Amino acid sequence: EPEVTQTPSHQVTQMGQEVILRCVPISNHLYFYWYRQILGQKVEFLVSFYNNEISEKSEIFDDQFSVERPDGSNFTLKIRSTKLEDSAMYFCASRVFLASGKETQYFGPGTRLLVL
Amino acid sequence: AQTVTQSQPEMSVQEAETVTLSCTYDTSESNYYLFWYKQPPSRQMILVIRQEAYKQQNATENRFSVNFQKAAKSFSLKISDSQLGDTAMYFCAFLKENGNKLVFGAGTILRVKS
Repeated sequence: EPEVTQTPSHQVTQMGQEVILRCVPISNHLYFYWYRQILGQKVEFLVSFYNNEISEKSEIFDDQFSVERPDGSNFTLKIRSTKLEDSAMYFCASRVFLASGKETQYFGPGTRLLVL
Repeated sequence: AQTVTQSQPEMSVQEAETVTLSCTYDTSESNYYLFWYKQPPSRQMILVIRQEAYKQQNATENRFSVNFQKAAKSFSLKISDSQLGDTAMYFCAFLKENGNKLVFGAGTILRVKS
């Protein structure tokens, strides 16, 4: 069964450094998302992406964040200058455009980011 | 704005027993979707079950079923014949029709005991 994959599974970085989190959505999916989950807290929406542009973003998704689909398979989240409070699990998700169950978002296994 | 409330931070159940996890939500939307996701210790988010608000029939997936009460804005998850592998955090989530953003509840930790 097709799955969303994410790399790396864990990343440790120093405050102020740039990080890029990578996701490979399910191949016939056209909508892509990033969510984050700070340890012990609820999952929060960051951004949605469709047709090579951001379709919606949350207040969390400020100028330090950016997303890109650099090729036909990858979807990336960049944090330009990491802060301690960016430490969290980051989930990528994707869904189909037109099909039965099109509203269901399928999640990847997450990248655990630790900012020191 | 939509909100999702899970009032049970933790639940325990004996193996093979049945347990029900509660979820309520608040919305002014008439068409929407509701989901239960499971997050085991590995922290991966796994879809358990989904419900379309315009369908009166409650969704079922093997041992998992929901009790969807649209007027009461309630969406509980029933797990029958609980198994040790069901031990996880369970999140209830809301998505408005044609929406992008899943809105999650705070989660309920379920522990299945042998």
